[in-house]
Amino acid sequence: SQKIEQNSEALNIQEGKTATLTCNYTNYSPAYLQWYRQDPGRGPVFLLLIRENEKEKRKERLKVTFDTTLKQSLFHITASQPADSATYLCALKAGNNRKLIWGLGTSLAVNP
Amino acid sequence: DARVTQTPRHKVTEMGQEVTMRCQPILGHNTVFWYRQTMMQGLELLAYFRNRAPLDDSGMPKDRFSAEMPDATLATLKIQPSEPRDSAVYFCASGLVLGQPSYEQYFGPGTRLTVT
Repeated sequence: SQKIEQNSEALNIQEGKTATLTCNYTNYSPAYLQWYRQDPGRGPVFLLLIRENEKEKRKERLKVTFDTTLKQSLFHITASQPADSATYLCALKAGNNRKLIWGLGTSLAVNP
Repeated sequence: DARVTQTPRHKVTEMGQEVTMRCQPILGHNTVFWYRQTMMQGLELLAYFRNRAPLDDSGMPKDRFSAEMPDATLATLKIQPSEPRDSAVYFCASGLVLGQPSYEQYFGPGTRLTVT
């Protein structure tokens, strides 16, 4: 079956370190993949989009990689801060399907 | 600061009652989505509109759910009759599609629905 998997266990890291979150998918050929941040009691907020023909995308302290051979995207936050603590969701659009398919998210806690 | 707004923020109702959730998309956006989020299933797309026309409602239980856009500034999601399994957070999101194959979605704060 088609699915997206993100680390189900919460990730705890020390302030200043790099956080790396994983998004794996099966049975898709994504046109693009997006990463969102969600804080408790709020809706997801768009962070980055990476297309199938792009290997890497950066925005300030954020970096996303996309490996269509491994069927995996990695999301990095460098020089992490306690304010980066949130749940991070990946979502992909597969071909002509209008829908975004969402992962369940990974909870990140950055400890001061 | 353009935002998607949703009302109500919280709703507690008894099984069998009608529930109506409202959404005001960002002015100028031409796509509107309704999602349901639960811990077990994550975000599930219920319905999707482009220029107020429904394009995909395959994720929505048709017998009890309905989604409409009476005008460009209002989207509604109704559940009638509601059931305890409908308890979830319902999000509305909007976006602007101008022909490019990708776009970001702007989410509202959600309506937390509890059906007892």
